[in-house]
Amino acid sequence: GAVVSQHPSRVICKSGTSVKIECRSLDFQATTMFWYRQFPKKSLMLMATSNEGSKATYEQGVEKDKFLINHASLTLSTLTVTSAHPEDSSFYICSARDHRGSGGAGYEQYFGPGTRLTVT
Amino acid sequence: DAKTTQPPSMDCAEGRAANLPCNHSTISGNEYVYWYRQIHSQGPQYIIHGLKNNETNEMASLIITEDRKSSTLILPHATLRDTAVYYCIVRVNFGNEKLTFGTGTRLTIIP
Repeated sequence: GAVVSQHPSRVICKSGTSVKIECRSLDFQATTMFWYRQFPKKSLMLMATSNEGSKATYEQGVEKDKFLINHASLTLSTLTVTSAHPEDSSFYICSARDHRGSGGAGYEQYFGPGTRLTVT
Repeated sequence: DAKTTQPPSMDCAEGRAANLPCNHSTISGNEYVYWYRQIHSQGPQYIIHGLKNNETNEMASLIITEDRKSSTLILPHATLRDTAVYYCIVRVNFGNEKLTFGTGTRLTIIP
């Protein structure tokens, strides 16, 4: 099946610094990637939709200037958490949709393994 | 996207079939039923999806009622590695492509 990787898998940073998380589709091209956040014992919450070559679409309540998303190629999207604070500590997960799909029957998203961010 | 309702937790004995129900009484005619699962501290894993016919793959079977208001995911021979949170999601396959995760069912496989 399609593989999505994330780097780093775990990061600890100091309050006020910025952290970049990479999401890569390894064996397929993804015109669309999604970024989710998951707090402990909670479900995944979509943060933004990233489209290759255009600006990301953010969900209501997500600060676009704090969570910078860049989707510069069909296999890479990055999420930068700027001026991180302890409340940004969370599990960040990306997913990617194979741009080929398979008509109406195959628009499943493939998820990365997640990045655990801890801000001290 | 239509809302789904799942039991918060279920137990199943190892080796038995695990049957996970999902209610989606407000599903629209062009919405598919998707199932994902999330093992602790990992990203979600796609399992299966369907529109109105029953579907089977190497991981599971999906049974959708004739009125499409509910479905059941069946793991035929559950193993300890199937312990996870299982999410049932309904969505259209084009246009709005977002996946909206509910609280899911926490399935625990008992040795």
